[in-house]
Order: sequence, then structure tokens, then C-alpha cells
Amino acid sequence: GNSVTQMEGPVTLSEEAFLTINCTYTATGYPSLFWYVQYPGEGLQLLLKATKADDKGSNKGFEATYRKETTSFHLEKGSVQVSDSAVYFCALIGYVQGGKLIFGQGTELSVKP
Amino acid sequence: GAVVSQHPSWVICKSGTSVKIECRSLDFQATTMFWYRQFPKQSLMLMATSNEGSKATYEQGVEKDKFLINHASLTLSTLTVTSAHPEDSSFYICSARDAGRSSYNEQFFGPGTRLTVL
Repeated sequence: GNSVTQMEGPVTLSEEAFLTINCTYTATGYPSLFWYVQYPGEGLQLLLKATKADDKGSNKGFEATYRKETTSFHLEKGSVQVSDSAVYFCALIGYVQGGKLIFGQGTELSVKP
Repeated sequence: GAVVSQHPSWVICKSGTSVKIECRSLDFQATTMFWYRQFPKQSLMLMATSNEGSKATYEQGVEKDKFLINHASLTLSTLTVTSAHPEDSSFYICSARDAGRSSYNEQFFGPGTRLTVL
């Protein structure tokens, strides 16, 4: 079945450091890929998405490129801020899943001043 | 646009009582809503898919008599945890799919409800 694997956290960075959170997926066909962010005590917010191969999703300085050849959708940001501290979830929806989101396990990011 | 609300945001109840959680799409119609459960420092676990006007579809291992889901209108779905016990304590999150959008696969999430059963 479809699945998503993220790098384990927690990830601790200093402010202005470069961020990469790895995400790889297994799916049949051409899934849509998402990154969600969850701030402490809150629900999920869509950060960015990509619906086809080679698409680049971007938002708030974060980027991720849909790489079908490596089945990856790594999240990157050039300079993180303390306010980026949160849990990040990679997710996919496949065509045959009835719209169900399949989530990775989440990666906690902590940014220190 | 595409705002989803949940009520209450947190609730504390005694063991054996029932608790109802509401999920509303505020500015769009949602033919499909999803209910998730999240344990501390873990990912979201899909509990059920709720379709307006029909019975919910539950994921394997989720007790449908324990977690009653009703989706009576295009803007409201409710989750009732019946005869709650401490092991039901969790963070419950709903999401909704906008029926009017051409993109069939985007879901919008509510802020979550923290349930604590004493």
C-alpha cells in the first residue's frame, strides 16, 4: 500500500540555519504530495503542495520539489526562524484512496535563537 | 477562505459519559469530512470518513459504536465519543474537502479538540 517515510526528529537548529527534512514515499501511479505544519496545541496547516512530477511547492520561504525518479519530496528552507519551530508532516493522496491522506510520522523542528 | 472550526477546543469529562465534538466548514460546503486522532508526539490516525447524508466509513480497528459520526449537513459533522474512558483521551482533528473546488484532493483542517477523560 501507499506510505510516507520522514526523517526522524527532533531536529534542532540555530536561527538562520539551513533546513532539510527528508520525505520519501511509496505509491502507485501519480499521487499528490503535501507538507503540513502543526504548531504546539493546534491543528494542521497546509504549508505547500505539488500535484505532479517536477512541480515545486513553495510558501513562507519553504520549498519542496516532487521528484518521481527518487520518490521524494524533501522540505527545505534557506534560513529558519524561531517561529518555524513546529512539527512538520509529509503526506500524500493517491488516486485510488478515496481522498484519504497518508501521513508520515512527523518531524519535530526546534529552532534556537 | 476554506476555514474549518471545531467545538469545543478542549473538554474534560468523567469516565462513562459521552462527549460530542463538532466540525464545521465556515465558508464552503463539504460533502466529505474526515476524523483523525492524534496521540502525543505521534502522527495523525484516520478514524473515519464522513459523507454528507450517508453512513460514515470507519477504518479498520475503529469501533463505530464507540465513535458515532453524523454528517447531517454540508457544513457540519459531529463525532460523539460514547461512554468515554481514560484511554479515549486524545487530540481529535477533523478535516473537510471543499465540494466546490476543482481540485478534488485538498483537505482543510480544523484546529483540533483536546479530550481528557478522568
